[in-house]
Amino acid sequence: DTGVSQDPRHKITKRGQNVTFRCDPISEHNRLYWYRQTLGQGPEFLTYFQNEAQLEKSRLLSDRFSAERPKGSFSTLEIQRTEQGDSAMYLCASSSIIDSYEKLFFGSGTQLSVL
Amino acid sequence: GENVEQHPSTLSVQEGDSAVIKCTYSDSASNYFPWYKQELGKRPQLIIDIRSNVGEKKDQRIAVTLNKTAKHFSLHITETQPEDSAVYFCATPGSGNTGKLIFGQGTTLQVKP
Repeated sequence: DTGVSQDPRHKITKRGQNVTFRCDPISEHNRLYWYRQTLGQGPEFLTYFQNEAQLEKSRLLSDRFSAERPKGSFSTLEIQRTEQGDSAMYLCASSSIIDSYEKLFFGSGTQLSVL
Repeated sequence: GENVEQHPSTLSVQEGDSAVIKCTYSDSASNYFPWYKQELGKRPQLIIDIRSNVGEKKDQRIAVTLNKTAKHFSLHITETQPEDSAVYFCATPGSGNTGKLIFGQGTTLQVKP
């Protein structure tokens, strides 16, 4: 499978613990996005990278969240001191310019449950 | 900022019938409108999209129409099949041309055999 891959698929943690998720984008894609999706809602933008540079962060992203893409390839999203409200599906996507428009290709996500 | 409203939230149709899902947006400068399909437990997948200089686009049983004056766009699925059952999301990047998309709330489509 040469699509976007995310690891782990599921994560259960206790409140207050730190968690880290990994995303491997499609290899030739320069941009990488993180979204969060809660049950019954559409994905919400969190942040994105162009190569290794983090270009934008949503106001949804509290100080407990940090994302990196150190070599411009895979990315990690870390949540410190998790809270129950952090429970959600965390989706990663990489993008390609097709017909002059940037199109997203999503991974299968990491489902986080904070107990 | 951009706001996207999607209706209905659930839609149940008989196999073979048509289904229509509508989205309205607020930013008149929005120029690109993709639709994503998300099956249970799977990733959102781009199924069709339309740009602002086009009024309608078709791909087999799926079509998308855009009314820029009214600021709404719709997904049309004809001859529905059980495998069309999924959650459908509309989206737009607003006035930007990036992958920072504003998504609608989603429509759960159930196609009854």
